[in-house]
Amino acid sequence: QVQLVESGGGVVQPGKSLRLSCAASGFTFSTYDMHWVRQAPGKGLEWLAISSYDGSHKYYAESVKGRFIVSRDNSKNTLYLEINSLRADDTALYYCAKNRRSSMVQGVIWVALDSWGQGTLVTVSS
Amino acid sequence: SYVLTQPPSVSVAPGQTATITCGGNNIGSKSVHWYQQKPGQAPVLVVYDDSDRPSGIPERFSGSNSGDTATLTISRVEAGDEADFYCQVWDSSRGNVFGTGTKVTVL
Repeated sequence: QVQLVESGGGVVQPGKSLRLSCAASGFTFSTYDMHWVRQAPGKGLEWLAISSYDGSHKYYAESVKGRFIVSRDNSKNTLYLEINSLRADDTALYYCAKNRRSSMVQGVIWVALDSWGQGTLVTVSS
Repeated sequence: SYVLTQPPSVSVAPGQTATITCGGNNIGSKSVHWYQQKPGQAPVLVVYDDSDRPSGIPERFSGSNSGDTATLTISRVEAGDEADFYCQVWDSSRGNVFGTGTKVTVL
């Protein structure tokens, strides 16, 4: 069965950087576009970024463009999210999620997210 | 920017029908997906592409989409359906967009 396990969260000071990881198993990771989504405490879902199956195409929400970097290592079945210049409003539970359909076309396919990890909590505080 | 508006809360008695709306400009031209999130858990996809259900999701969950409103309907509501629900679409200028979320309370 599909399993997504996020890690790398913690308490971080404002202005610092952090790299989150998402270890995938139970499906052919290298053929799926993957997403990062976050949820601030008591708030709704916010989509952050998508990486194409091969990492060649990446798209970001306007709110994080320039500070967040999504990447992947298909040899390790792992998705990453690098967060730079952390701010208090980056405090949230960060989820990785999988596209419902595999695709190996150029670019990304925008379909539903059918599997989610349990999230890793990032707290930005001095 | 594209905004999806949901009612903050919906209350329904067990066995009755819950209707959750998701409003957006010409949302009927987009594919709408719905997620259920129970307290302390990750979201779960319950409807995709307006009205299709992933395997394992009960037939009690159904969706429709037309004009400026998409709708998730939960028939014969059970206590276990109590959760937050989010709609989601893709927008060419914003990428993926989630709705504001609706808390469903089973009375």
